[in-house]
Amino acid sequence: GIQVEQSPPDLILQEGANSTLRCNFSDSVNNLQWFHQNPWGQLINLFYIPSGTKQNGRLSATTVATERYSLLYISSSQTTDSGVYFCAVGDNYGQNFVFGPGTRLSVLP
Amino acid sequence: KAGVTQTPRYLIKTRGQQVTLSCSPISGHRSVSWYQQTPGQGLQFLFEYFSETQRNKGNFPGRFSGRQFSNSRSEMNVSTLELGDSALYLCASRPGTGGNEQFFGPGTRLTVL
Repeated sequence: GIQVEQSPPDLILQEGANSTLRCNFSDSVNNLQWFHQNPWGQLINLFYIPSGTKQNGRLSATTVATERYSLLYISSSQTTDSGVYFCAVGDNYGQNFVFGPGTRLSVLP
Repeated sequence: KAGVTQTPRYLIKTRGQQVTLSCSPISGHRSVSWYQQTPGQGLQFLFEYFSETQRNKGNFPGRFSGRQFSNSRSEMNVSTLELGDSALYLCASRPGTGGNEQFFGPGTRLTVL
């Protein structure tokens, strides 16, 4: 099955700093999503981005499907950005959804 | 549109018991998937139901089962609970056809004593 890696595993930033989170996957995908998990466990949808580039406020994401990676950019980070960020991909049958191990982000005031 | 809802939110059981978790998808969504999240194994896919049929299954023992009703609501059952079944169980819904984006519920936190 598809393997998903995320880097870095942990990231500590000062408020106001920018960051880039990376997701590598081992096979072709037709679905790629970025999530932020809040302290209560809820997975918040950030981007649905199987290819291309999208932006939403201070967040943006790029997926290069041919090279099997996706990047999540967080600019001007805030303490409320803290939490775990997951990348998840769906195979070309659109049925199985595999999560990466996550990046734990801590933004310090 | 209301989001994905899960009940109960918290549950405490003892080893050997069984448990049933419920998930109501977003209105119009016909696919419901279940995931288990533990500190050691991360987020793992359990199974997906579409139009009352199990469409895909992850690598979990037969103690884990599910079903989907005609209104797309889904239940997940775990029999003969083990300590290792303590986890956050997340349910996700998506349209099932013509749309792959998944939306997650708040989860059910199961503790097995």
